[in-house]
Amino acid sequence: AQSVTQLDSHVSVSEGTPVLLRCNYSSSYSPSLFWYVQHPNKGLQLLLKYTSAATLVKGINGFEAEFKKSETSFHLTKPSAHMSDAAEYFCALPYGGSQGNLIFGKGTKLSVKP
Amino acid sequence: KAGVTQTPRYLIKTRGQQVTLSCSPISGHRSVSWYQQTPGQGLQFLFEYFSETQRNKGNFPGRFSGRQFSNSRSEMNVSTLELGDSALYLCASSSRTGPQETQYFGPGTRLLVL
Repeated sequence: AQSVTQLDSHVSVSEGTPVLLRCNYSSSYSPSLFWYVQHPNKGLQLLLKYTSAATLVKGINGFEAEFKKSETSFHLTKPSAHMSDAAEYFCALPYGGSQGNLIFGKGTKLSVKP
Repeated sequence: KAGVTQTPRYLIKTRGQQVTLSCSPISGHRSVSWYQQTPGQGLQFLFEYFSETQRNKGNFPGRFSGRQFSNSRSEMNVSTLELGDSALYLCASSSRTGPQETQYFGPGTRLLVL
């Protein structure tokens, strides 16, 4: 069965320090994997997408994620947090087969302290 | 290119009423998916439409229904509203259907059932 686990419900960092948001997945297919960000009272914005072309994926706003099949992980990182990064982040996996609908993790709320 | 638009943005209804939400996908996109987001259950897939046909359906009661028009615009309907239907309803579009496709989300419709 397909599943996504975001290991931290809340992460707090200081501005200028690195960000690490953790995501583990379970899939019987060769997965695509996505990270989305949701700012308060907004929809989801795509940060980046993995589709097996390269294991290190660069996204918008300085974020990147590394696909590690052996660890079934797809952690999101950023070298230096900015106040505007404060938001909720979701890791997602397509249901699989011919189905594109997404299974989402529970989300990680990122707080950035000045 | 304009993004996914959803109307209305906010809605207040009472128990037992019905509601219709509308979604206009990105121009050229033929697949529209709907998701429900609540604090307790997170993001859950409702259904996906592609070329006016429902392709996939999530685990929701029959009170939740949808349709897609020939111009790819989609509506979802919830009949006999319950308090637990209060949620943010997100629409996403993609150019095609399938697990490799990126879904682009609208801002959502926030439904409050009193």
